[in-house]
Amino acid sequence: DAKTTQPPSMDCAEGRAANLPCNHSTISGNEYVYWYRQIHSQGPQYIIHGLKNNETNEMASLIITEDRKSSTLILPHATLRDTAVYYCIVSSGGSNYKLTFGKGTLLTVNP
Amino acid sequence: DAGVIQSPRHEVTEMGQEVTLRCKPISGHNSLFWYRQTMMRGLELLIYFNNNVPIDDSGMPEDRFSAKMPNASFSTLKIQPSEPRDSAVYFCASSLVGQGLGEQYFGPGTRLTVT
Repeated sequence: DAKTTQPPSMDCAEGRAANLPCNHSTISGNEYVYWYRQIHSQGPQYIIHGLKNNETNEMASLIITEDRKSSTLILPHATLRDTAVYYCIVSSGGSNYKLTFGKGTLLTVNP
Repeated sequence: DAGVIQSPRHEVTEMGQEVTLRCKPISGHNSLFWYRQTMMRGLELLIYFNNNVPIDDSGMPEDRFSAKMPNASFSTLKIQPSEPRDSAVYFCASSLVGQGLGEQYFGPGTRLTVT
């Protein structure tokens, strides 16, 4: 699996958009970008994934650059409950896929 | 759906004892994953199963660790004998491979302390 680079920490004001960047310059053509988050003392939670098009669901939006070497996860209106470690992962999927978690970004949403 | 169920939630044992962690995946899922999380090493994949068959166990630390999946609704991770360095939170996750690709659903974890 390709490696990813994320800032170790970020702050965001409650109610504002949180934009979390991720670099994955060695991503292969068949590899997807996944985002998970882990709230303190809980198991990781799936957020969103994409291949090359931008994606949106009820939790977040995922913006992938045209060259696919980087992406941004957007939480449109961050709340205190969004404080968590956010992991950006690339994986090829398929029947033999696996996810390799890095250190992630600790997002702290401040009141 | 109840989600992924893990038991026990907390386990404290003495060095040298056998420890068995249990996991019930989400009904209908065909892949199951065991992870270990520590402050030093982060979240590591230990082993994963597809259709009850172990696919990749390269993350299993050593022979003291073993995992089984006798049927689609149950898996165990056993440590024998346990050592203090095995202290960690162990997560089980399940997924339906072929749909949603990497959408893994994690259980609440088992916090293991070996003294």
